[in-house]
Amino acid sequence: QPVLTQSSSASASLGSSVKLTCTLSSGHSTYIIAWHQQQPGKAPRYLMKLEGSGSYNKGSGVPDRFSGSSSGADRYLTISNLQSEDEADYYCETWDSNTRVFGGGTKLTVL
Amino acid sequence: EVQLVESGGGLVQPGGSLRLSCSGAGFTFSSYAMHWVRQAPGKGLEYVSAISSNGGSRYYADSVKGRFTISRDNPKNTLYLQMSSLRAEDTAVYYCVKGMWAAATTSLDYWGQGTLVTVSS
Repeated sequence: QPVLTQSSSASASLGSSVKLTCTLSSGHSTYIIAWHQQQPGKAPRYLMKLEGSGSYNKGSGVPDRFSGSSSGADRYLTISNLQSEDEADYYCETWDSNTRVFGGGTKLTVL
Repeated sequence: EVQLVESGGGLVQPGGSLRLSCSGAGFTFSSYAMHWVRQAPGKGLEYVSAISSNGGSRYYADSVKGRFTISRDNPKNTLYLQMSSLRAEDTAVYYCVKGMWAAATTSLDYWGQGTLVTVSS
């Protein structure tokens, strides 16, 4: 089954940009993933679905500051013009006919 | 606006049972797969179970297979999770999540607020 690997933490300054990475395990580099955001004390929120081609579809109300891209087995979430409300945990997710898995999550700190 | 409201969580003893419910509104409930995802205190997200739009296909994580049963009542716009033989490691917030399409093998796109299940003596 696929495994998703994420860095445990990241930080960036208010108003800057940050690029979070989610890496698919060997043999699963073509998988579609999704990114979800979980602000402190809240339920997760769907951000986007991201294909291996780099094409992505964002959820309703997701700001233009959020974008996705891909390279090989890596899937990226880029947040531009960081705001304080972007401080959150970010999870990637993937699935196939047998299972669904989440990455361990990246805790983003906005300095 | 899509709304998912979970209920049924609470404190239960090890080996006990509990049934979670999730009421959906703001979308055609019968047209979409539905899922349960849980999050233990201070931990990440863990997939639990999924059911296709018509209930014909059901999926379970290995950690709950044989103990949990997912079902749905489309006329009532309600999703259920029957949990039995509960263990301490089942303690978590359980989220009801809408799938993007009728089949369960697609992305999740709307999350409920969650209901806390605590398994303890």
